[in-house]
Amino acid sequence: NAGVMQNPRHLVRRRGQEARLRCSPMKGHSHVYWYRQLPEEGLKFMVYLQKENIIDESGMPKERFSAEFPKEGPSILRIQQVVRGDSAAYFCASSYTNDYGYTFGSGTRLTVV
Amino acid sequence: AQSVSQHNHHVILSEAASLELGCNYSYGGTVNLFWYVQYPGQHLQLLLKYFSGDPLVKGIKGFEAEFIKSKFSFNLRKPSVQWSDTAEYFCAVILASGGSYIPTFGRGTSLIVHP
Repeated sequence: NAGVMQNPRHLVRRRGQEARLRCSPMKGHSHVYWYRQLPEEGLKFMVYLQKENIIDESGMPKERFSAEFPKEGPSILRIQQVVRGDSAAYFCASSYTNDYGYTFGSGTRLTVV
Repeated sequence: AQSVSQHNHHVILSEAASLELGCNYSYGGTVNLFWYVQYPGQHLQLLLKYFSGDPLVKGIKGFEAEFIKSKFSFNLRKPSVQWSDTAEYFCAVILASGGSYIPTFGRGTSLIVHP
């Protein structure tokens, strides 16, 4: 029973490029959460999705960031026109229900050069 | 808005010392509480959680936490730490009563255990 799978583990992008981060939740989990972790700042909530629906995106920057969780396939966090400040670790978590407990993926470490 | 405070940002201990990490939250309603551990370069792993019942919760690796509702606290404890406990520890809270069910995390506490 694979856990939450995130890929790639490490992603390097030049300023202005697009970054696509993928998250495959645990089998049977239909709730996905994206967090960003910056040094000395802990985890900051970005977006909460269920299949084909964005439930809460209050933590997402208004521009350049988008997320989806299609009926088939992984959840995607997309960052357009990346800037140096986007460099961080991005973690995805999934859950069976919305209060059962959350399993985290290993994260994607994005570096913008 | 709810918030989670972890007052100790950096803790340094020697092996066999006792550990207590503080966690306080700001919401007065029904909450679900979690402690996660993140070993260097790895993802977050659940140490323990509290939903209801006995306020003293036992977790993995000898950790425990006590929910004190009157103090809005959920402190993590371990009687004798090991070098392998060196990690980042995060407290998280979910509003279980009409909330959004999105975990809010504290800033984290970095624990270094010297052998």
